[in-house]
Amino acid sequence: GQNIDQPTEMTATEGAIVQINCTYQTSGFNGLFWYQQHAGEAPTFLSYNVLDGLEEKGRFSSFLSRSKGYSYLLLKELQMKDSASYLCAVRDSNYQLIWGAGTKLIIKP
Amino acid sequence: GAVVSQHPSRVICKSGTSVKIECRSLDFQATTMFWYRQFPKQSLMLMATSNEGSKATYEQGVEKDKFLINHASLTLSTLTVTSAHPEDSSFYICSAREDRGLGNSPLHFGNGTRLTVT
Repeated sequence: GQNIDQPTEMTATEGAIVQINCTYQTSGFNGLFWYQQHAGEAPTFLSYNVLDGLEEKGRFSSFLSRSKGYSYLLLKELQMKDSASYLCAVRDSNYQLIWGAGTKLIIKP
Repeated sequence: GAVVSQHPSRVICKSGTSVKIECRSLDFQATTMFWYRQFPKQSLMLMATSNEGSKATYEQGVEKDKFLINHASLTLSTLTVTSAHPEDSSFYICSAREDRGLGNSPLHFGNGTRLTVT
């Protein structure tokens, strides 16, 4: 079956750096997405990786290793507003999105 | 940036009635739209894929006669929850994929609809 694993919850301190990992086993691969979702709101797009390596976008970076079925989202200079759930999603060979359960990130002052 | 408008944001209805939720792509065309359901503290569950001009594709376990989907134009898809019951209470989210023809087209989400059936 298809599976995406990410930690359920993480805690970090304001101003610090946090890395959220995502591992996947899917039927084919056509890209990996990271989304941010605040409680009670819809997800918002953060990043997209289809080739191995690091994609940087401001305070957020996303890394992909297709051979390892692994990605991480790196958040720098954490702010309180970064408290949210972070969803990893993989597009499989049928272009269907397979979603992880999300990682709830708690930022403490 | 691309905007998807979902309406209404909140709705409370009585058991047995029907509720229609609209999803519009405001500044792009979307041949394909998706409807999700999300329970508290759980991930998104794909209910169906809506394709303009053709019948929606429903995921296993989703009743197509209960969750009616219409995708009449390249910018509008609707989900109608028919004969709603309290167990249908949930957060429903639509998303639309831009017709860019590129594999990396991200999904753009509506703001979601909180449905409460009393």
